[in-house]
Amino acid sequence: ELKVEQNPLFLSMQEGKNYTIYCNYSTTSDRLYWYRQDPGKSLESLFVLLSNGAVKQEGRLMASLDTKARLSTLHITAAVHDLSATYFCAVITGTASKLTFGTGTRLQVTL
Amino acid sequence: GAVVSQHPSWVICKSGTSVKIECRSLDFQATTMFWYRQFPKQSLMLMATSNEGSKATYEQGVEKDKFLINHASLTLSTLTVTSAHPEDSSFYICSARMGMAAFFGQGTRLTVV
Repeated sequence: ELKVEQNPLFLSMQEGKNYTIYCNYSTTSDRLYWYRQDPGKSLESLFVLLSNGAVKQEGRLMASLDTKARLSTLHITAAVHDLSATYFCAVITGTASKLTFGTGTRLQVTL
Repeated sequence: GAVVSQHPSWVICKSGTSVKIECRSLDFQATTMFWYRQFPKQSLMLMATSNEGSKATYEQGVEKDKFLINHASLTLSTLTVTSAHPEDSSFYICSARMGMAAFFGQGTRLTVV
């Protein structure tokens, strides 16, 4: 059974600081997604990582994928309050291309 | 980009009644759609894969007679929660894939009283 784990589960950080969220998954996959969810809302797509070594950046967020280690990271640079949300990674598996979500990381950026 | 529209955004119903949630792909055709359930402060759990023109595939532990899925056209899938009970209260989200991207509906918050 595929397991997708994120850590930390909760992160409180000050504005201006840097931090990394980790996403580990237990079986082979060559496609990984990162999403943002605001309270009471649905998911907003952030990144799709398609191959080993892929790195994508958008604003203060940068995501990378290491398929050999089955690890993806989401790095936050100089955090701002607007980044406060829950972040999920998700992995594609199986012939039906199902998405399995990570446990989620709730990020709180304080002033 | 592609849009997936889900309706209603929220619904309150009485125990024992049924509720239907619609998921539409607005500008693309989706032969496969996915239904997820999310409890407060938890992750999304896949309930079932909805296939156009055929039966849905349910995940282990999901009662197919309770959560009826119909995917009658390439742009519409519906989830009906039958004989709803308070424990069915949750946030339900649908998703459709176009190429490598997965698009999500706005979600439906169901409260059963």
